This record gives sequence, C-alpha cells and structure tokens, in this order.
Amino acid sequence: DAGVIQSPRHEVTEMGQEVTLRCKPISGHDYLFWYRQTMMRGLELLIYFNNNVPIDDSGMPEDRFSAKMPNASFSTLKIQPSEPRDSAVYFCASGTGVNEKLFFGSGTQLSVL
Amino acid sequence: GEDVEQSLFLSVREGDSSVINCTYTDSSSTYLYWYKQEPGAGLQLLTYIFSNMDMKQDQRLTVLLNKKDKHLSLRIADTQTGDSAIYFCAESGGSYIPTFGRGTSLIVHP
Repeated sequence: DAGVIQSPRHEVTEMGQEVTLRCKPISGHDYLFWYRQTMMRGLELLIYFNNNVPIDDSGMPEDRFSAKMPNASFSTLKIQPSEPRDSAVYFCASGTGVNEKLFFGSGTQLSVL
Repeated sequence: GEDVEQSLFLSVREGDSSVINCTYTDSSSTYLYWYKQEPGAGLQLLTYIFSNMDMKQDQRLTVLLNKKDKHLSLRIADTQTGDSAIYFCAESGGSYIPTFGRGTSLIVHP
C-alpha cells in the first residue's frame, strides 16, 4: 500500500478564498483523523471518523471548517473563507481502531496570505 | 496544563545516548507511544508500550514507563545524525484517541 496520501503538498491562497484538502487513507483502515500542526499549538486533533461517520468534531476551530468522508477511501477538509491564522500543516492519519497505531500522511502545508 | 508534556529541545553528540522524557496526566492510559517526525514528513510510529509493562527494548530504542509517576522515556543508544527529528510522546487513555505532546526536537551534532 502507498500509505496515507494527501493532496496538495503545498497550498498558497489569499485570505477569503476556499481551500480544500484531500486525503486517501490506507485501504482497510476504518478510522480517519485530521490534525493541524502549528508552532504555537503543536498537534491538534480537529476531527475523526469511524466507518465514514464523524465521531468527534470538537476540535474543529470554527464553522469555517468542515470535513466530509463520502466513502472509505476519501476525505476532505474544507476551509471557507480562509484566514491567515489558518496557516499550518494539516495532517491526515488513518488506523484500524482505537488504541492502535496511526499512519500519517505527509501533510499539506497551507499558507493563507 | 497540558495532558502530555515534553521538553522542547535536546542536543546530543553523535555516538552518545539520547533520553527524551515525557509526563502525562491520564491515569487510565492504556497505550503510550513514541512517534518520530522528520523534516517535511508526517509522524511515524517508532514504538509503543502497553500500560502494564515497565520496559520495552527494540534495537537501539528503550522505552521506560513509570506508571506511578506517569513518566515515560525514550532512550536512543549510539545516537546518529539520522536520528535528528522531532519526537512526539502520545497516550491513549479514557477517550481511546491518542493525545500528543508538543514534541521534542532532537539535534545530533558531530
């Protein structure tokens, strides 16, 4: 398996624009996580899914953030409208269950100007 | 305070041992993990320990767990320049979802 695949690797956009980040989890993994990493806050859990269903979105910072998982092989994280403070590295991770190890993608470096 | 705490930086000389420390607050932790993040990459699981163990060894890596003090450490023997990275401690407790520390940047110099 190619591992967790995220796209794009880098995204530069202007304030107010819509941003969509994409993730393909490892086949057979039924848990999917979205994290955000910044120098100030470290690694923050935004939301996680189990069997395509959102389980906990309490980490989503604002209504500007939304995440979907239409099927077992694809998830998106959308920011609309984007703001400079959203600049961060966004990671997707997948796993086979709680208490199990997570497999991380390479991340999307988002810069909002 | 944070649920998982780590020092932010550690600098060691090549060939020496590195010890990265972590403290956590959740007494119901079941698994404790060490992840490694190399520049420009995602986190990769290095090793993990179940809470009923006090030590685990895997080649150059030794994990020690003091459950009474809620203290976890990662020892890297014969540290190499390729070990330079950010090391994250994580625990999965009552919520069963891993909670990560802020990460410790390990700098290995010749």
